[in-house]
Amino acid sequence: AQSVTQPDIHITVSEGASLELRCNYSYGATPYLFWYVQSPGQGLQLLLKYFSGDTLVQGIKGFEAEFKRSQSSFNLRKPSVHWSDAAEYFCAVVPWGGYQKVTFGTGTKLQVIP
Amino acid sequence: SQTIHQWPATLVQPVGSPLSLECTVEGTSNPNLYWYRQAAGRGLQLLFYSVGIGQISSEVPQNLSASRPQDRQFILSSKKLLLSDSGFYLCAWSLPGQGAREQYFGPGTRLTVT
Repeated sequence: AQSVTQPDIHITVSEGASLELRCNYSYGATPYLFWYVQSPGQGLQLLLKYFSGDTLVQGIKGFEAEFKRSQSSFNLRKPSVHWSDAAEYFCAVVPWGGYQKVTFGTGTKLQVIP
Repeated sequence: SQTIHQWPATLVQPVGSPLSLECTVEGTSNPNLYWYRQAAGRGLQLLFYSVGIGQISSEVPQNLSASRPQDRQFILSSKKLLLSDSGFYLCAWSLPGQGAREQYFGPGTRLTVT
């Protein structure tokens, strides 16, 4: 079955430290891949997306993600975390040919400590 | 520029009461429209999507329904709420032809069924 897995429910990092949030997917063909961020009580904001081409994609707020086909992964990274990055992060996929059907991971809540 | 509105922002309703949540988009024509539900500690679940007026696709069988009476208006309804309907409801839109590949989310409605 098609699925999206975010294995880390909660991550705590110190301000200024690097961050990596994991996302793995299980689909027959490489889907479209996304990372969204949600601040408490708010809607979701698109951080970045991967459709094809360069496997390292840059997004907003200093985030980047790397697509690794061999590992079916699309991990989100940031070299230096700011306190304002504390939020919940969702990986999402849209399969080729199923453009209306997006599947979200269960999310990773990021806590940033001073 | 485009904006998306949802109301009400919060709602407390008793079991068995009706529900009507509204979503409107400004600044674009013929958008794709989506309703999602986010339960505590879980990812987003796609409930309905619409590619045009009167065209509604349901993803999850339940006691909810959706309607699109105008091009940029999307309504989520229920005749009788259940406790399990509690959650955070998010509306999203995307450009025609983009499907779910680039979605923009509203601020959400927090629904508590008591």
